[in-house]
Amino acid sequence: ELKVEQNPLFLSMQEGKNYTIYCNYSTTSDRLYWYRQDPGKSLESLFVLLSNGAVKQEGRLMASLDTKARLSTLHITAAVHDLSATYFCAVDTGNQFYFGTGTSLTVIP
Amino acid sequence: EAGVTQSPTHLIKTRGQQATLRCSPISGHTSVYWYQQALGLGLQFLLWYDEGEERNRGNFPPRFSGRQFPNYSSELNVNALELEDSALYLCASSRAMGQPQHFGDGTRLSIL
Repeated sequence: ELKVEQNPLFLSMQEGKNYTIYCNYSTTSDRLYWYRQDPGKSLESLFVLLSNGAVKQEGRLMASLDTKARLSTLHITAAVHDLSATYFCAVDTGNQFYFGTGTSLTVIP
Repeated sequence: EAGVTQSPTHLIKTRGQQATLRCSPISGHTSVYWYQQALGLGLQFLLWYDEGEERNRGNFPPRFSGRQFPNYSSELNVNALELEDSALYLCASSRAMGQPQHFGDGTRLSIL
């Protein structure tokens, strides 16, 4: 069974700092998604990465995909409190979505 | 564009009962997915329906079942409820497999 591992699982960072969340997966796929989930809420789609080398940016978040390394990163630039949430990556194998364990991000003023 | 809608928002049942959860996809979306999110855990894939047929299911016992109707809405049925079935059940829809999934707000199922 495909495994999707995120690290770190928990991240506490100060406002204004930069950090990267990593998503490793164990099988070939060239479709990867990032989602955000606020406490008690559903998942919000952030990025869709559909090819090797894909890079997408929205505000303070930037996602990239390296299909050869089976790795995606979500980079946070100059974090602000509003980014506090749980972030999930998900790998699409063509017939199933596999979600990572999630990274719980807390941005401290 | 209306999003994915799920009902009910909350559902309280006792052990051994049966639960039915409902999902209406975004208009134009033919694929519907069901996930279980237990407290403190990630999302576990349950079922995928497309064009009225079950296309794939996750590693869950047969008492988890469902169907998709001609209008592409879907039901998830859970029979013989157990305490560990308590979780948030999320439905998502997409235009097709390989397209981004859009999630509903979920049904929180509590088993007493």
